[in-house]
Amino acid sequence: AQTVTQSQPEMSVQEAETVTLSCTYDTSESDYYLFWYKQPPSRQMILVIRQEAYKQQNATENRFSVNFQKAAKSFSLKISDSQLGDAAMYFCAYRSSLNTGTASKLTFGTGTRLQVTL
Amino acid sequence: DAGVTQSPTHLIKTRGQQVTLRCSPKSGHDTVSWYQQALGQGPQFIFQYYEEEERQRGNFPDRFSGHQFPNYSSELNVNALLLGDSALYLCASSLQGISGNTIYFGEGSWLTVV
Repeated sequence: AQTVTQSQPEMSVQEAETVTLSCTYDTSESDYYLFWYKQPPSRQMILVIRQEAYKQQNATENRFSVNFQKAAKSFSLKISDSQLGDAAMYFCAYRSSLNTGTASKLTFGTGTRLQVTL
Repeated sequence: DAGVTQSPTHLIKTRGQQVTLRCSPKSGHDTVSWYQQALGQGPQFIFQYYEEEERQRGNFPDRFSGHQFPNYSSELNVNALLLGDSALYLCASSLQGISGNTIYFGEGSWLTVV
């Protein structure tokens, strides 16, 4: 079974600064997907960024980028130029790429609460 | 394009009662998954429905059951409610057969068991 670990329960960053959230995972599969989801107080899970394990290039979405280290099973999220609206819970999630009924199942970490200060 | 919609948004039930939560998937999606998110925790996979059948199940007791209708909407039923069932229940939709597609979440149903 896959597991996802987020060791930072809370992080704080000043507006306009950069912050990195950590995530490690464990799997025996060689092909999979990794995600970062944002959950604001409204509680809806919003996809921030995704990474396919077979791609060596790190994914980037505007101010959000990842550092994917497959051998180390590490998947960190970097938020640049932090904004007040970035304050939320951030969840790292794993998903198998197997095209079976398990393909859509997400395994989440316990989350990191990000505070953004002025 | 309507996203994933869930109802009700909040509800309070008494221990021992039964509850039904409802979900309509994003337009074009045929697969619905349910997750339980306890306070301060990450979501935990309950089960997934596709073609009106339960396809995969997480580590949840038989008190948790579901159903998918021909229009792909889904219900989550929980019987004999326990205080520990208090949580946010998230519905997620996706398209089966495409392993790389995005999973979309609804805003959840807050269940409080007293």
